[in-house]
Amino acid sequence: AQSVTQPDIHITVSEGASLELRCNYSYGATPYLFWYVQSPGQGLQLLLKYFSGDTLVQGIKGFEAEFKRSQSSFNLRKPSVHWSDAAEYYCAVGGGGSQGNLIFGKGTKLSVKP
Amino acid sequence: SQTIHQWPATLVQPVGSPLSLECTVEGTSNPNLYWYRQAAGRGLQLLFYSVGIGQISSEVPQNLSASRPQDRQFILSSKKLLLSDSGFYLCAWKRGGNTIYFGEGSWLTVV
Repeated sequence: AQSVTQPDIHITVSEGASLELRCNYSYGATPYLFWYVQSPGQGLQLLLKYFSGDTLVQGIKGFEAEFKRSQSSFNLRKPSVHWSDAAEYYCAVGGGGSQGNLIFGKGTKLSVKP
Repeated sequence: SQTIHQWPATLVQPVGSPLSLECTVEGTSNPNLYWYRQAAGRGLQLLFYSVGIGQISSEVPQNLSASRPQDRQFILSSKKLLLSDSGFYLCAWKRGGNTIYFGEGSWLTVV
């Protein structure tokens, strides 16, 4: 069955520290992988996506993610976290096709200490 | 550029009352449209998707229904709301490619 696991429900980091949010997926075919961010009470904003090619992808707001097929992972990273990065982060996997539905993880809440 | 509008942003409704959430997409044609629900601690759940006018696929059995009366309009409805229908509802769209874009969401509280 297709699934996405975000093992960390809540992470707290200090401002300026590095960040890594974990994402593992289970998908039968070549996956399309996404990271979205959601600020409180807001919709989801696309941070970055991976379809093919270079396994290290750059996104908005200084985020990057690395696709590792052997580990079925797509972890999100940022070298230096800003207070405005505090939000909920969702990893998602999809297979394209006419429906193009996404399967989401349950999210990781990021808190940033001053 | 494409934009997606969703309303109302916030709604408080009594149990047993009807529901209508509306979503429109601008700047594109024949998009795939989606309704997701986000309940506390449960992530995002796909409720309905549509690949064209009048074509609705339901992902989970529930008290809700969806309709697509026009190409860029997607409506989420209920005849009688339940307490368990409370949550954050997100409309989304996709046109070609593989990326889904989300609206700002609608908060529904059933009391």
